[in-house]
Amino acid sequence: EVQLVQSGAEVKKPGESLKISCKGSGYSFTRFWIGWVRQMPGKGLEWMGIIYPGDSDTRYSPSFEGQVTISADKSITTAYLQWSSLKASDTAMYYCGRPGATGWYFDYWGQGTLVTVSS
Amino acid sequence: QSVLTQPPSVSAAPGQKVTISCSGSSSNIGNNYVFWYQQFPGTAPKLLIYDNNKRPSGIPDRFSGSKSGTSATLDITGLQTGDEADYYCGTWDTSLSAVIFGAGTKLTVL
Repeated sequence: EVQLVQSGAEVKKPGESLKISCKGSGYSFTRFWIGWVRQMPGKGLEWMGIIYPGDSDTRYSPSFEGQVTISADKSITTAYLQWSSLKASDTAMYYCGRPGATGWYFDYWGQGTLVTVSS
Repeated sequence: QSVLTQPPSVSAAPGQKVTISCSGSSSNIGNNYVFWYQQFPGTAPKLLIYDNNKRPSGIPDRFSGSKSGTSATLDITGLQTGDEADYYCGTWDTSLSAVIFGAGTKLTVL
């Protein structure tokens, strides 16, 4: 069974760094892309970017390029989303997902990680 | 402002049919497959439709998708109160080199 399990909720202060994780299991981790979606409170879905763990090829949405870093450690089948300096506007739910075989839609999703940035 | 345009809300009575539209352009819907998600409050989105009109295993045939030109639609027939949720369309945008979503449509089953 394919599973994506995300790390727990985080409460941080502006300016702090953060790395959240998404552990994949039940499939060949290095053979599927894995990506991240942001959902701000009461708002819609925003695609942030995606990584291919097999060779670390990473693509970012123009809206998030330079704002976050996506990485993966294939030895522990885990993908990461990282911020070097959080802002209050980063407060959101973040979901990881695995694209399907025929396109960029996510057919498997993590449960979400709530990130709250507040002074 | 989303690149894909969806109505903010739709409503219909139980047992009826509802259509949710998703309008884009040649750089996205016009030349790429469309997918649809269903999302209940506090939960991750769930894939309903991919490749314009295909349903993942386990999705009832009450849900169907179609695409024509630069627009796509999601039809839900035999509405149930359990269908009340937010629905999002999405696709690849060739100009942006990114996946884009509509702003979402809230379905109310009266």
